Amino acid sequence: QLVQSGPEVKKPGASVRVSCTASGSTLSTYYIHWVRQAPGQGLEWMGWIYPDSGGTNYAQNFQGRVSMTRDTSISTAFMELRRLKSDDTAVYYCATPSPYGDYFEYWGQGTLVTVSS
Amino acid sequence: DIQMTQSPSSLSASVGDRVTISCRASERISKYLNWYQQKPGKAPKLLIYSASSLQNGVPSRFSGSASGTDFTLTISSLQPEDFATYYCQQNFSPQLSFGGGTKVEVK
Repeated sequence: QLVQSGPEVKKPGASVRVSCTASGSTLSTYYIHWVRQAPGQGLEWMGWIYPDSGGTNYAQNFQGRVSMTRDTSISTAFMELRRLKSDDTAVYYCATPSPYGDYFEYWGQGTLVTVSS
Repeated sequence: DIQMTQSPSSLSASVGDRVTISCRASERISKYLNWYQQKPGKAPKLLIYSASSLQNGVPSRFSGSASGTDFTLTISSLQPEDFATYYCQQNFSPQLSFGGGTKVEVK
């Protein structure tokens, strides 16, 4: 089970960090992907982190603005997005793929990030 | 990046109808195509993976097929709980991507 941190309200230009905790399992076993969804819009893949090594793969749209990290001692992954803009207002999900391919079997409950002056 | 184009963006249907949703990839992705269902305020739910494999626990009225770069999700007999938005997603490229979604509404 993936449990995410609570809602955030940020001003334009600020940064936000969202956490995703693997409850009842070892984080390092699974890739953690991040997907976001703006209000009334579709799903947008942001990237992944492999907690065991710390390796990452970011979507080109977010290169230079996103960082995905982890703390395996507390089974938690983090997604930080910098230089926030109003169109970064969205629900941010973490998700884990199947061991057999990058399709998402398990999702966090989502974290609403609101960017507003 | 691989672009995924879904059609239609929305449709109206009645309980018992057969519903088909299309997804086209901008380039060849073999069978690396997955389908999700999302209801308001909820995280997406995996329905179909690898174009045509039914996820455990998903009713058999859902099916997926592939032809070249065209993929189809079919609901054989729409049930009340199936009114939702459906998304396709490719995992052929390391840069994953989703389609824009198809909202299935009550007619």
